[in-house]
Amino acid sequence: AQRVTQPEKLLSVFKGAPVELKCNYSYSGSPELFWYVQYSRQRLQLLLRHISRESIKGFTADLNKGETSFHLKKPFAQEEDSAMYYCALREGGSEKLVFGKGMKLTVNP
Amino acid sequence: DTGVSQDPRHKITKRGQNVTFRCDPISEHNRLYWYRQTLGQGPEFLTYFQNEAQLEKSRLLSDRFSAERPKGSFSTLEIQRTEQGDSAMYLCASSSHREFGSYEQYFGPGTRLTVT
Repeated sequence: AQRVTQPEKLLSVFKGAPVELKCNYSYSGSPELFWYVQYSRQRLQLLLRHISRESIKGFTADLNKGETSFHLKKPFAQEEDSAMYYCALREGGSEKLVFGKGMKLTVNP
Repeated sequence: DTGVSQDPRHKITKRGQNVTFRCDPISEHNRLYWYRQTLGQGPEFLTYFQNEAQLEKSRLLSDRFSAERPKGSFSTLEIQRTEQGDSAMYLCASSSHREFGSYEQYFGPGTRLTVT
């Protein structure tokens, strides 16, 4: 069975500080990894996916198969980054997403 | 708003009653998903439709739960004989088929169910 672990529930930083939101997964095959974000009073939306290898809103995430991790990073956090962040995994042959429990990021002025 | 819509947004019901939720996906999205999210947890997959066919179901979807997508457009999720443990946010998402690469699931605002 696959599992997605986000070890920290809360992270509070000051504006301009670097942030790293950790995500580890357990899956024997080749997964697809995603980061979803939910801003206050908004719906859940895709932030980025590992297959695209792109930077969105200054965030990047690299899939490390050796460490089975997909940590989300941003060098300089902004107040508008405050939100709930969910790491998710999709295994080959399935359509479902398996989500971690989420992490609340607060960026203080 | 051309995004995924869900109705109702909130539902309060008494234990033992039946409830039905509706989801309207983004037009021309042939894939539709239902998830459930309880407090402090991420969304948990319930079921998935491709067009009108229900192709995947989670063990979480007990026999009290039934989902349909009769014409391959909107979907309904019914919970019979509700229990307090059914209290949660029920999320719907849709996506379109992509031949290569990954795809994006677009989520609706959710229906918050409270069972008293």
